[in-house]
Amino acid sequence: KNQVEQSPQSLIILEGKNCTLQCNYTVSPFSNLRWYKQDTGRGPVSLTIMTFSENTKSNGRYTATLDADTKQSSLHITASQLSDSASYICVVRKNYHGDNQGGKLIFGQGTELSVKP
Amino acid sequence: NAGVTQTPKFQVLKTGQSMTLQCAQDMNHEYMSWYRQDPGMGLRLIHYSVGAGITDQGEVPNGYNVSRSTTEDFPLRLLSAAPSQTSVYFCASSLRGGQGETQYFGPGTRLLVL
Repeated sequence: KNQVEQSPQSLIILEGKNCTLQCNYTVSPFSNLRWYKQDTGRGPVSLTIMTFSENTKSNGRYTATLDADTKQSSLHITASQLSDSASYICVVRKNYHGDNQGGKLIFGQGTELSVKP
Repeated sequence: NAGVTQTPKFQVLKTGQSMTLQCAQDMNHEYMSWYRQDPGMGLRLIHYSVGAGITDQGEVPNGYNVSRSTTEDFPLRLLSAAPSQTSVYFCASSLRGGQGETQYFGPGTRLLVL
Protein backbone atom coordinates (compact mmCIF):
# COMPACT_ATOMS: atom_id res chain seq x y z
CA LYS A 1 0.00 0.00 0.00
CA ASN A 2 1.29 3.48 -0.86
CA GLN A 3 1.81 5.31 2.41
CA VAL A 4 3.75 8.23 3.83
CA GLU A 5 4.35 8.22 7.58
CA GLN A 6 5.75 11.18 9.48
CA SER A 7 7.21 11.45 12.95
CA PRO A 8 6.89 12.89 15.43
CA GLN A 9 3.25 13.99 15.23
CA SER A 10 4.10 17.14 17.14
CA LEU A 11 7.21 18.80 18.48
CA ILE A 12 7.93 21.76 20.74
CA ILE A 13 11.36 23.41 20.67
CA LEU A 14 12.91 26.61 21.95
CA GLU A 15 13.75 29.43 19.60
CA GLY A 16 17.27 29.11 18.25
CA LYS A 17 17.42 25.33 18.59
CA ASN A 18 17.70 22.87 15.72
CA CYS A 19 15.26 20.05 14.99
CA THR A 20 14.80 17.16 12.59
CA LEU A 21 11.53 15.81 11.25
CA GLN A 22 11.25 12.32 9.81
CA CYS A 23 9.37 10.83 6.86
CA ASN A 24 9.16 7.16 5.85
CA TYR A 25 7.37 6.07 2.71
CA THR A 26 6.32 2.93 0.89
CA VAL A 27 5.25 4.59 -2.38
CA SER A 28 6.26 2.75 -5.53
CA PRO A 29 7.25 3.47 -8.19
CA PHE A 30 8.88 6.59 -6.78
CA SER A 31 9.12 9.87 -8.69
CA ASN A 32 10.06 12.54 -6.18
CA LEU A 33 9.67 13.62 -2.57
CA ARG A 34 8.53 17.05 -1.43
CA TRP A 35 8.42 18.92 1.83
CA TYR A 36 5.78 21.58 2.38
CA LYS A 37 5.28 24.11 5.16
CA GLN A 38 1.69 24.89 6.13
CA ASP A 39 1.03 27.84 8.42
CA THR A 40 -2.17 27.75 10.46
CA GLY A 41 -5.13 28.74 8.29
CA ARG A 42 -3.08 28.84 5.09
CA GLY A 43 -2.32 26.56 2.18
CA PRO A 44 0.85 24.45 1.98
CA VAL A 45 3.95 26.13 0.53
CA SER A 46 6.68 24.11 -1.17
CA LEU A 47 10.09 23.97 0.55
CA THR A 48 11.99 21.36 -1.48
CA ILE A 49 11.53 18.75 -4.20
CA MET A 50 14.02 15.87 -4.45
CA THR A 51 14.34 13.18 -7.08
CA PHE A 52 15.77 9.70 -6.70
CA SER A 53 19.32 10.83 -7.40
CA GLU A 54 19.37 13.73 -4.92
CA ASN A 55 20.55 13.07 -1.36
CA THR A 56 20.36 16.59 0.04
CA LYS A 57 18.61 19.80 -0.83
CA SER A 58 18.62 23.08 1.07
CA ASN A 59 16.32 26.07 1.17
CA GLY A 60 17.72 28.64 3.56
CA ARG A 61 17.63 27.17 7.07
CA TYR A 62 15.76 24.10 5.82
CA THR A 63 17.75 21.06 4.67
CA ALA A 64 16.04 17.96 3.36
CA THR A 65 17.75 14.60 2.96
CA LEU A 66 16.62 11.56 1.02
CA ASP A 67 17.74 7.93 1.28
CA ALA A 68 15.95 6.20 -1.58
CA ASP A 69 17.31 2.80 -0.56
CA THR A 70 15.70 2.87 2.89
CA LYS A 71 12.80 5.07 1.70
CA GLN A 72 13.42 7.67 4.36
CA SER A 73 13.64 11.44 4.30
CA SER A 74 14.31 14.05 6.93
CA LEU A 75 13.83 17.79 7.18
CA HIS A 76 16.36 19.59 9.36
CA ILE A 77 15.62 23.10 10.58
CA THR A 78 18.58 25.11 11.78
CA ALA A 79 18.46 27.95 14.30
CA SER A 80 14.68 27.85 14.58
CA GLN A 81 12.60 31.03 14.60
CA LEU A 82 9.13 31.72 15.92
CA SER A 83 7.93 31.93 12.31
CA ASP A 84 8.92 28.29 11.81
CA SER A 85 5.88 27.28 13.89
CA ALA A 86 3.76 25.39 11.36
CA SER A 87 2.81 21.97 10.09
CA TYR A 88 5.44 20.31 7.90
CA ILE A 89 4.11 17.89 5.35
CA CYS A 90 6.06 15.20 3.51
CA VAL A 91 4.64 14.32 0.08
CA VAL A 92 5.75 11.57 -2.28
CA ARG A 93 4.89 11.62 -5.94
CA LYS A 94 4.18 8.28 -7.55
CA ASN A 95 5.67 7.74 -10.99
CA TYR A 96 3.35 7.22 -13.93
CA HIS A 97 4.08 6.59 -17.58
CA GLY A 98 2.71 9.47 -19.61
CA ASP A 99 3.35 11.88 -16.80
CA ASN A 100 0.58 14.43 -17.28
CA GLN A 101 -2.06 12.05 -16.01
CA GLY A 102 -2.77 13.80 -12.75
CA GLY A 103 0.42 12.37 -11.19
CA LYS A 104 -0.55 10.97 -7.86
CA LEU A 105 0.74 12.76 -4.77
CA ILE A 106 0.67 10.81 -1.50
CA PHE A 107 0.53 13.16 1.49
CA GLY A 108 1.76 12.46 5.00
CA GLN A 109 -0.25 13.57 8.02
CA GLY A 110 2.25 16.28 8.88
CA THR A 111 4.38 17.15 11.91
CA GLU A 112 3.12 20.07 13.98
CA LEU A 113 6.10 22.16 15.06
CA SER A 114 5.82 24.79 17.75
CA VAL A 115 8.74 27.12 18.40
CA LYS A 116 8.60 28.82 21.80
CA PRO A 117 10.49 31.98 22.83
CA ASN B 1 0.47 37.84 -9.51
CA ALA B 2 -2.25 36.94 -7.04
CA GLY B 3 -1.34 33.24 -7.40
CA VAL B 4 -4.15 30.85 -6.48
CA THR B 5 -7.23 32.46 -4.96
CA GLN B 6 -10.21 30.76 -3.34
CA THR B 7 -13.62 31.99 -2.25
CA PRO B 8 -15.30 31.90 0.15
CA LYS B 9 -12.88 31.54 3.07
CA PHE B 10 -15.52 30.05 5.30
CA GLN B 11 -18.99 28.61 4.67
CA VAL B 12 -21.70 26.98 6.75
CA LEU B 13 -24.24 24.78 4.95
CA LYS B 14 -27.19 22.70 5.99
CA THR B 15 -27.39 19.07 4.94
CA GLY B 16 -28.78 18.82 1.42
CA GLN B 17 -27.80 22.31 0.31
CA SER B 18 -25.61 22.82 -2.72
CA MET B 19 -22.81 25.30 -3.25
CA THR B 20 -19.82 26.09 -5.42
CA LEU B 21 -16.32 26.68 -4.14
CA GLN B 22 -14.44 29.02 -6.42
CA CYS B 23 -10.80 28.71 -7.44
CA ALA B 24 -8.83 30.90 -9.81
CA GLN B 25 -5.17 31.24 -10.78
CA ASP B 26 -3.40 33.90 -12.81
CA MET B 27 -0.18 31.99 -13.59
CA ASN B 28 -1.44 30.43 -16.85
CA HIS B 29 -1.16 26.97 -15.31
CA GLU B 30 -2.67 24.08 -17.22
CA TYR B 31 -2.94 21.72 -14.24
CA MET B 32 -5.39 22.44 -11.43
CA SER B 33 -6.68 20.25 -8.65
CA TRP B 34 -8.89 20.14 -5.58
CA TYR B 35 -7.95 18.53 -2.26
CA ARG B 36 -9.65 18.11 1.07
CA GLN B 37 -7.79 18.15 4.37
CA ASP B 38 -9.24 16.40 7.39
CA PRO B 39 -7.79 16.17 10.91
CA GLY B 40 -5.26 13.36 11.30
CA MET B 41 -5.19 12.65 7.57
CA GLY B 42 -3.08 13.78 4.68
CA LEU B 43 -4.56 15.85 1.88
CA ARG B 44 -6.67 13.78 -0.48
CA LEU B 45 -7.27 14.51 -4.16
CA ILE B 46 -10.91 15.08 -5.15
CA HIS B 47 -10.73 16.06 -8.83
CA TYR B 48 -8.12 17.42 -11.18
CA SER B 49 -7.83 19.00 -14.61
CA VAL B 50 -4.93 18.95 -17.07
CA GLY B 51 -6.36 21.76 -19.17
CA ALA B 52 -9.49 23.61 -20.18
CA GLY B 53 -12.27 21.18 -21.03
CA ILE B 54 -10.52 18.19 -19.40
CA THR B 55 -11.28 16.91 -15.90
CA ASP B 56 -10.83 13.62 -14.12
CA GLN B 57 -11.54 12.02 -10.77
CA GLY B 58 -9.10 11.77 -7.93
CA GLU B 59 -9.13 9.62 -4.84
CA VAL B 60 -12.38 10.87 -3.22
CA PRO B 61 -14.68 12.28 -5.97
CA ASN B 62 -18.10 11.16 -4.71
CA GLY B 63 -20.45 14.05 -3.96
CA TYR B 64 -18.40 16.59 -5.92
CA ASN B 65 -18.51 17.88 -9.49
CA VAL B 66 -16.02 20.03 -11.38
CA SER B 67 -15.77 21.76 -14.74
CA ARG B 68 -12.96 23.66 -16.47
CA SER B 69 -14.28 26.07 -19.08
CA THR B 70 -11.25 28.40 -18.88
CA THR B 71 -7.58 27.99 -18.01
CA GLU B 72 -7.98 30.33 -15.04
CA ASP B 73 -10.99 28.91 -13.20
CA PHE B 74 -11.70 25.53 -11.65
CA PRO B 75 -14.88 25.56 -9.50
CA LEU B 76 -15.83 22.68 -7.21
CA ARG B 77 -19.52 21.97 -6.77
CA LEU B 78 -21.12 20.17 -3.86
CA LEU B 79 -24.37 18.74 -5.18
CA SER B 80 -26.09 17.88 -1.89
CA ALA B 81 -23.94 18.65 1.13
CA ALA B 82 -23.46 16.02 3.83
CA PRO B 83 -21.83 16.33 7.28
CA SER B 84 -19.04 14.05 6.00
CA GLN B 85 -18.04 16.86 3.64
CA THR B 86 -17.12 19.11 6.55
CA SER B 87 -13.48 19.79 5.80
CA VAL B 88 -10.95 22.33 4.60
CA TYR B 89 -10.72 22.46 0.82
CA PHE B 90 -7.60 23.48 -1.05
CA CYS B 91 -7.21 24.29 -4.71
CA ALA B 92 -3.77 23.88 -6.26
CA SER B 93 -2.16 24.50 -9.62
CA SER B 94 1.06 23.77 -11.47
CA LEU B 95 2.30 24.54 -14.96
CA ARG B 96 1.42 21.24 -16.65
CA GLY B 97 1.27 18.73 -13.80
CA GLY B 98 4.75 17.49 -14.67
CA GLN B 99 6.74 15.35 -12.27
CA GLY B 100 9.16 17.94 -10.94
CA GLU B 101 6.83 20.91 -10.92
CA THR B 102 5.98 22.84 -7.79
CA GLN B 103 2.32 22.89 -6.86
CA TYR B 104 0.94 26.20 -5.66
CA PHE B 105 -1.90 26.02 -3.16
CA GLY B 106 -4.65 28.50 -2.45
CA PRO B 107 -5.47 29.70 1.09
CA GLY B 108 -8.30 27.19 1.53
CA THR B 109 -12.04 27.21 2.13
CA ARG B 110 -13.26 25.96 5.50
CA LEU B 111 -16.64 24.24 5.10
CA LEU B 112 -18.98 23.22 7.90
CA VAL B 113 -22.02 21.10 7.04
CA LEU B 114 -24.65 20.90 9.76
